[in-house]
Amino acid sequence: AQSVTQPDIHITVSEGASLELRCNYSYGATPYLFWYVQSPGQGLQLLLKYFSGDTLVQGIKGFEAEFKRSQSSFNLRKPSVHWSDAAEYFCAVGAVGGTASKLTFGTGTRLQVTL
Amino acid sequence: DTGVSQNPRHKITKRGQNVTFRCDPISEHNRLYWYRQTLGQGPEFLTYFQNEAQLEKSRLLSDRFSAERPKGSFSTLEIQRTEQGDSAMYLCASRSPAQGATETQYFGPGTRLLVL
Repeated sequence: AQSVTQPDIHITVSEGASLELRCNYSYGATPYLFWYVQSPGQGLQLLLKYFSGDTLVQGIKGFEAEFKRSQSSFNLRKPSVHWSDAAEYFCAVGAVGGTASKLTFGTGTRLQVTL
Repeated sequence: DTGVSQNPRHKITKRGQNVTFRCDPISEHNRLYWYRQTLGQGPEFLTYFQNEAQLEKSRLLSDRFSAERPKGSFSTLEIQRTEQGDSAMYLCASRSPAQGATETQYFGPGTRLLVL
């Protein structure tokens, strides 16, 4: 069964600083990987996704992520964080078997941005 | 495209009562998912519909839970005899079949349930 580990529960960065959120996955085949963001009391918004091809993927709001098969990682990065980026970030892996394509999420990383 | 909508947004109920939540997916999306998110955790898959057929259910979906999608459009999730452990955010997502498994799941704002 697939699983996702986000080792950092909470991260604090200063506005303007760079950001890297870690994600490690376990999946028996080529994974479909996603990063979602959740603001307080809200649903999840897709930031970016990886299926195949270029291992560096660009997303919305200036985010990018790099797929590293050898490390089973899909870390999210942003060169300069804005105060509005404060939220909870979830990494997810998609199950390809059958037709469900259900998502398995990590436990999330809460990002706090200081001014 | 008005997005995925869920009603109600918040529900407070007493233990033992039944509750029902509604999800309206994006209109052309024939795949619909329910997830549950407890405090401090990521969403966990509950069940999945393709059109009106419920094709997969998680072991998390006990016999007190039932989901329907009678006409392949909106879906309802009912919890009977609620327990305090049912307190969570219930998220609905929908997906187009256009690109198969790689297609994005779009999430609604969720229904937050509190069982007293």
